[in-house]
Amino acid sequence: AQSVTQLDSQVPVFEEAPVELRCNYSSSVSVYLFWYVQYPNQGLQLLLKYLSGSTLVKGINGFEAEFNKSQTSFHLRKPSVHISDTAEYFCAVSDRDSGYSTLTFGKGTMLLVSP
Amino acid sequence: DVKVTQSSRYLVKRTGEKVFLECVQDMDHENMFWYRQDPGLGLRLIYFSYDVKMKEKGDIPEGYSVSREKKERFSLILESASTNQTSMYLCASSFDPRFRAQITEAFFGQGTRLTVV
Repeated sequence: AQSVTQLDSQVPVFEEAPVELRCNYSSSVSVYLFWYVQYPNQGLQLLLKYLSGSTLVKGINGFEAEFNKSQTSFHLRKPSVHISDTAEYFCAVSDRDSGYSTLTFGKGTMLLVSP
Repeated sequence: DVKVTQSSRYLVKRTGEKVFLECVQDMDHENMFWYRQDPGLGLRLIYFSYDVKMKEKGDIPEGYSVSREKKERFSLILESASTNQTSMYLCASSFDPRFRAQITEAFFGQGTRLTVV
């Protein structure tokens, strides 16, 4: 079974600083990878996804992530964060061959941006 | 825009009650999912369905059942609610990659925060 590890439960950062949220997954088989964001009292919204092709993926709100197959990682980055980026971020993985496209989620990383 | 609608944002139920959480999607998605979200545990899959009247257990199905009588609607049922089922419940839907050329992400509803007292 898949597992997803988000190494940091909370990441505090000052506004306009760069940030990296780390994500590692367990499987060596081919996967689809996703980052979702959850603002307070809301559902999950897709930030970006890796399906195939270029390992650097750009998403909404200035976020990007890099797929590293050898390290089984999919870290999320933003060069300059805003207060409005304060939210919880979830990394998720789906096996390409699973058939049903079920997602396995990490436990989430709370990004706290302060002035 | 894809829309996944959960019937209630907040629910308070008593221990032992039978509880229904409803979810409707408007994008003709084959797959529908129910997750629960708890602090520090992330999202855990309860059940999913890949077709009408079809269901598969997820990682934590105990204490729950589901119903999918129509393609657009997926219901989560707590047969006898208990306090340890107090949680945020999230419904999601997606295309099934076995039947579609495109691969897309799962789309989520706004969530139902259930409190069992």
